[in-house]
Amino acid sequence: EADIYQTPRYLVIGTGKKITLECSQTMGHDKMYWYQQDPGMELHLIHYSYGVNSTEKGDLSSESTVSRIRTEHFPLTLESARPSHTSQYLCASSEGGFGGLSTDTQYFGPGTRLTVL
Amino acid sequence: SQQGEEDPQALSIQEGENATMNCSYKTSINNLQWYRQNSGRGLVHLILIRSNEREKHSGRLRVTLDTSKKSSSLLITASRAADTASYFCATGGYSGAGSYQLTFGKGTKLSVIP
Repeated sequence: EADIYQTPRYLVIGTGKKITLECSQTMGHDKMYWYQQDPGMELHLIHYSYGVNSTEKGDLSSESTVSRIRTEHFPLTLESARPSHTSQYLCASSEGGFGGLSTDTQYFGPGTRLTVL
Repeated sequence: SQQGEEDPQALSIQEGENATMNCSYKTSINNLQWYRQNSGRGLVHLILIRSNEREKHSGRLRVTLDTSKKSSSLLITASRAADTASYFCATGGYSGAGSYQLTFGKGTKLSVIP
């Protein structure tokens, strides 16, 4: 098991609520990622970070926001949840590194399954 | 896009049989990785093969890479019911903007029937 944690594991909330999904890793990895995945479907990268105070949007447009104030912590926030946000959210981290030897092997948390009613 | 495409989308076999999944991609890569995802869980890294390698083994897993055909295969020998999961290939390489990225395919759902 990788040392990367997500809370909560399951969340059911009403439309319009503000939520924060937590992700923490104890491996000291520079890179962290958020993916959105519908059941049985492909992963979509929605946010990533290459280090503290660095955040970028991924390939899939998302209304969520992220922050990276500490290396180990990469929370995702939805200001006003909607039913279309219902999905599984996966957090991952990797060592980073650059150049020809980079592998970027990613370590995933268990995921947060979000349901917005 | 250098995204991998797995084939088949779904595969059902009997316990003890071998399972083969394929991955094709479009652009040059530094490495190709295979991950496994049990239902409702995160992905777990299985094996990595670099662009200058042709074959790698890890336990019951065998991965091949053909860079001329831009394809890879994952073979699971003597499958077990516990191998039931989705398997994703991920290609690692440099994007048009020059940053290194790992891009996941759509996955193959493997069902191993006891």
